[in-house]
Amino acid sequence: GENVEQHPSTLSVQEGDSAVIKCTYSDSASNYFPWYKQELGKRPQLIIDIRSNVGEKKDQRIAVTLNKTAKHFSLHITETQPEDSAVYFCAASIGGAQKLVFGQGTRLTINP
Amino acid sequence: DSGVTQTPKHLITATGQRVTLRCSPRSGDLSVYWYQQSLDQGLQFLIQYYNGEERAKGNILERFSAQQFPDLHSELNLSSLELGDSALYFCASSVEGQPTGELFFGEGSRLTVL
Repeated sequence: GENVEQHPSTLSVQEGDSAVIKCTYSDSASNYFPWYKQELGKRPQLIIDIRSNVGEKKDQRIAVTLNKTAKHFSLHITETQPEDSAVYFCAASIGGAQKLVFGQGTRLTINP
Repeated sequence: DSGVTQTPKHLITATGQRVTLRCSPRSGDLSVYWYQQSLDQGLQFLIQYYNGEERAKGNILERFSAQQFPDLHSELNLSSLELGDSALYFCASSVEGQPTGELFFGEGSRLTVL
């Protein structure tokens, strides 16, 4: 299949708390899983990515975990800050890495 | 600035018309991708070109077509426009022929069909 499901569609957390966004994919051959952040009125930008030979990757306050058996991956943001407010998209390479399919996005709001 | 240039930034047209969106990739990038983002929707993959050749196709309507020219810029042609075609159209580029590395997005072309 070519679906990437992303949950939740909206997420509101208090500043300083953690946020978790989850995605599932259906193509067992998928091997590349990036996360993009899109601020209001701006273009999507890559914030972190993970490949299928790695289970977890961290970059300061953000981390991504991958469970290939279950075909799901998650984005974790710790110590959230107001500037983390944005729409976050997960994606997965499918069809033998021929296409990058995005999830529907999660609108994250950080409340001060 | 991602280095990807899209024109026009905004376009308003009527149903039934035809428009062309243009994208210049980052210097050195051989792949160009087109995505459609409707209001509160995700990024729908339309089509990818690599070094002038079509590489992958997504849910692109038959009324839409694209091409990549020898200088690597790309154009997305939308014809017989319908109200539902109103969206933000993003172009992205990458060095590789497969989307297994960072895609650099342009600022998008916002199309409004009245």
